[in-house]
Amino acid sequence: EEQLVESGGGSIQPGGSLRLSCAASGFTVSSNYMSWVRQAPGKGLEWVSVIYSGGGTYYADSVKGRFTISRDSSKNTLYLQMNSLRADDTAMYYCARDSRGPFQWGQGTLVTVSS
Amino acid sequence: DIQMTQSPSSLSASVGDRVTITCRASQGIGNDLGWYQQIPGKAPKRLIYAASSLQSGVPSRFSGSGSGTEFTLTISSLQPEDFATYYCLQHNSYPLTFGGGTKVEIK
Repeated sequence: EEQLVESGGGSIQPGGSLRLSCAASGFTVSSNYMSWVRQAPGKGLEWVSVIYSGGGTYYADSVKGRFTISRDSSKNTLYLQMNSLRADDTAMYYCARDSRGPFQWGQGTLVTVSS
Repeated sequence: DIQMTQSPSSLSASVGDRVTITCRASQGIGNDLGWYQQIPGKAPKRLIYAASSLQSGVPSRFSGSGSGTEFTLTISSLQPEDFATYYCLQHNSYPLTFGGGTKVEIK
């Protein structure tokens, strides 16, 4: 069964760092486009970042220079390194397999940035 | 960046009603549009891709149409499990952008 499972969320103070993980099963992360999408509490969906199968990356302006998307083929896992976190980064973070847009989603991991 | 304007932001409807949601892109995106359903507390689920193609496993009462800048999601006969929030997403160019969402509530 194809599945995505996120982990690594939690509570963190402003300015801190977190690394989110997204473990995939049933398919190969490095052969697919993979995205991160977030949703602030009570708000809509916001695309965050993508990594191509070829390794290229794109970021939303709101996270550019602070977040880094990567993957580990040996672990079949996608990552999102988040630095210089701000209160407005508080959200549920979803990883998703992407083909003509995200189509297979994990259950999400919650990140709360607060002092 | 491409802006996606979705309307209405909310609507009330009864079981069996025909429901239409619209998304307008700030520039032409061909058919690079998807529609998603989100039930509270759950991850989004893609219903439609390439503007009008039904995702595998999605009931046929859902349909999508449009190209260029105007797109529509139609639910032909609303069912109890369809009460949720719906989003459009353009994937023509980065950054990908979602519409603001349409909350479908029970009348």
